[in-house]
Amino acid sequence: DTEVTQTPKHLVMGMTNKKSLKCEQHMGHRAMYWYKQKAKKPPELMFVYSYEKLSINESVPSRFSPECPNSSLLNLHLHALQPEDSALYLCASSPRGAFTGELFFGEGSRLTVL
Amino acid sequence: QQPVQSPQAVILREGEDAVINCSSSKALYSVHWYRQKHGEAPVFLMILLKGGEQKGHDKISASFNEKKQQSSLYLTASQLSYSGTYFCGTERGNKLVFGAGTILRVKS
Repeated sequence: DTEVTQTPKHLVMGMTNKKSLKCEQHMGHRAMYWYKQKAKKPPELMFVYSYEKLSINESVPSRFSPECPNSSLLNLHLHALQPEDSALYLCASSPRGAFTGELFFGEGSRLTVL
Repeated sequence: QQPVQSPQAVILREGEDAVINCSSSKALYSVHWYRQKHGEAPVFLMILLKGGEQKGHDKISASFNEKKQQSSLYLTASQLSYSGTYFCGTERGNKLVFGAGTILRVKS
């Protein structure tokens, strides 16, 4: 299994909703990442977990809350989002510590905030 | 600080060659290259870790000039499947920062 699987693929939520994005990999990778990508822009780093510990938080607003329940799973909890948070949210993983090699990206969750 | 990519966009006919450049105002220790097709996830192409290193895969290769703080991605005899946005990434404070991207479109 060489995939990073993200669910849901599409999500529409209101500004008062609470929802979660999920990411799963079974490649034994020890680093996992959340990126945010706006249209025609590069992926922008949000969070990095290395060996299940949060190692990088790119000053992301607290309405985004990451969670790494185990080495295969990564969640992004969403609460009280703003319309400008609408974007493609990409999960990625890499074999060893953060940014020590190739990043394997999932296909993303496209989020629309109304 | 984001690496600078050039050109912003390029249109080719099948079989033509292209070069995409990635430069940095700060010292480069490694350069990563990814391609993202429309509506898909970014896909890893290669990492260059040493100054002067060159790598290749099929008809896509890259070089890394540490002194000039730049890397170039070479696409030879382009195919329709090469279309997409190419991102270079450079390490900044143990993070990978992507350039703005170069849109490549190959026409038949």
